[in-house]
Amino acid sequence: DQQVKQNSPSLSVQEGRISILNCDYTNSMFDYFLWYKKYPAEGPTFLISISSIKDKNEDGRFTVFLNKSAKHLSLHIVPSQPGDSAVYFCAASGASSNTGKLIFGQGTTLQVKP
Amino acid sequence: GAGVSQSPSNKVTEKGKDVELRCDPISGHTALYWYRQRLGQGLEFLIYFQGNSAPDKSGLPSDRFSAERTGESVSTLTIQRTQQEDSAVYLCASSFWRTQETQYFGPGTRLLVL
Repeated sequence: DQQVKQNSPSLSVQEGRISILNCDYTNSMFDYFLWYKKYPAEGPTFLISISSIKDKNEDGRFTVFLNKSAKHLSLHIVPSQPGDSAVYFCAASGASSNTGKLIFGQGTTLQVKP
Repeated sequence: GAGVSQSPSNKVTEKGKDVELRCDPISGHTALYWYRQRLGQGLEFLIYFQGNSAPDKSGLPSDRFSAERTGESVSTLTIQRTQQEDSAVYLCASSFWRTQETQYFGPGTRLLVL
C-alpha cells in the first residue's frame, strides 16, 4: 500500500527552465509534507516543507504547492540549474503519528541539462 | 561534527552473519529514526526513538532486526542472520522532538549481503 506516490521516475529539463516534480498521497491524515534531495552516495538533504494549513511555501528558487482536495503536492524549481540534478523524494507525516515518522515516495530523478 | 554520522559507510557480509550499524545523531536532537532504502525504491521507516520513551518498532521487517539507543546519543541497528534481501542503504535521521520537525539524515550505510 503505497501511501505516497511519485509517478514519474525521471524528469529532464534544460538549464534555466522550470522543473516541476509531482507527488500524490492517499492518506487524508497526513498534515505535513517535505521534499528532500539526494545525491549519489549521500543521505537525503532537506529542501522545503509545507504544513496542511498552507497551500504554498516558497524558499528561493524552490516552491512547494499543496492541493489538499486532490491530495497532490508539487515542487517547482525556477530557474533550474545543473547542480539541481539529483533524486527528489517527497515525504509525508501525520499528527496522528506521534512519532513523526515520514512516509516517502519512490523518488524522481531530475536531470538538468546545461 | 555538526551532522548525523553513520558507520561503517559500506559493509559487505555473507548470508547468515550478523551485522551492526551505528548512528551518531546531531547533538541536542532527542528523536532518532532508522530508515532503509532498497535499490530503486523510496525510504522505508524502520524504528524510532525519543528520549526514554518506548521505541516505535512498527517498521522493523522481521525479528532479525533490532535497535538500541542509549539515552539521547548513539544508536545501533543490528541485523541477525542476514539475508540477501537485507541488502540496502540504511539511513539514520535525527530531529528535535516536536511534531513537524525536520529530520536530518546521515550519509547511510550501504549493506551488501552475498
